[in-house]
Amino acid sequence: GIQVEQSPPDLILQEGANSTLRCNFSDSVNNLQWFHQNPWGQLINLFYIPSGTKQNGRLSATTVATERYSLLYISSSQTTDSGVYFCAVQVHDMRFGAGTRLTVKP
Amino acid sequence: KAGVTQTPRYLIKTRGQQVTLSCSPISGHRSVSWYQQTPGQGLQFLFEYFSETQRNKGNFPGRFSGRQFSNSRSEMNVSTLELGDSALYLCASSLPYNEQFFGPGTRLTVL
Repeated sequence: GIQVEQSPPDLILQEGANSTLRCNFSDSVNNLQWFHQNPWGQLINLFYIPSGTKQNGRLSATTVATERYSLLYISSSQTTDSGVYFCAVQVHDMRFGAGTRLTVKP
Repeated sequence: KAGVTQTPRYLIKTRGQQVTLSCSPISGHRSVSWYQQTPGQGLQFLFEYFSETQRNKGNFPGRFSGRQFSNSRSEMNVSTLELGDSALYLCASSLPYNEQFFGPGTRLTVL
């Protein structure tokens, strides 16, 4: 089946710093989503981005489908950005990466 | 528009028992998927239902089953519970092969 790799596994930042999270996948996909999981376990939709670039406030994402990767950019990070970020891709069923655990320190 | 709801939110069972979890999708969404999240295995796909039919199934034993009703609400059942079934069970709804929206999850503890 399709493999999804996220890097880095852990990231510690000072408030105000910028970061880039990466998602590599092993085959062509129909859909790609980025999620933020809050401390209570809820998966919050960030981007639905099978290809191209999208921006939402301080967050933006780019997917280069032909090269099988996606990037999530977080600018001017805040402590509330802390949590686990997941990339998920879908061919038939949805497969998740292992996540990037982000800690933003005040 | 109301989001995906899951009940119950928390559940404690003992080994050997069975459990049924419920998921109500976003209005108009006919596709419902279930996932299991554990610290060791991460987020894993269980199965997907569309219009009351199982469309895809993950690599889980037959103790895990599900169904979908005509109103698109879905239930999943785990029989003969094992300690390793302790997990967060997440349900998601979507239009076919489109953006998935997740519920808050049911946290199952098996003692």
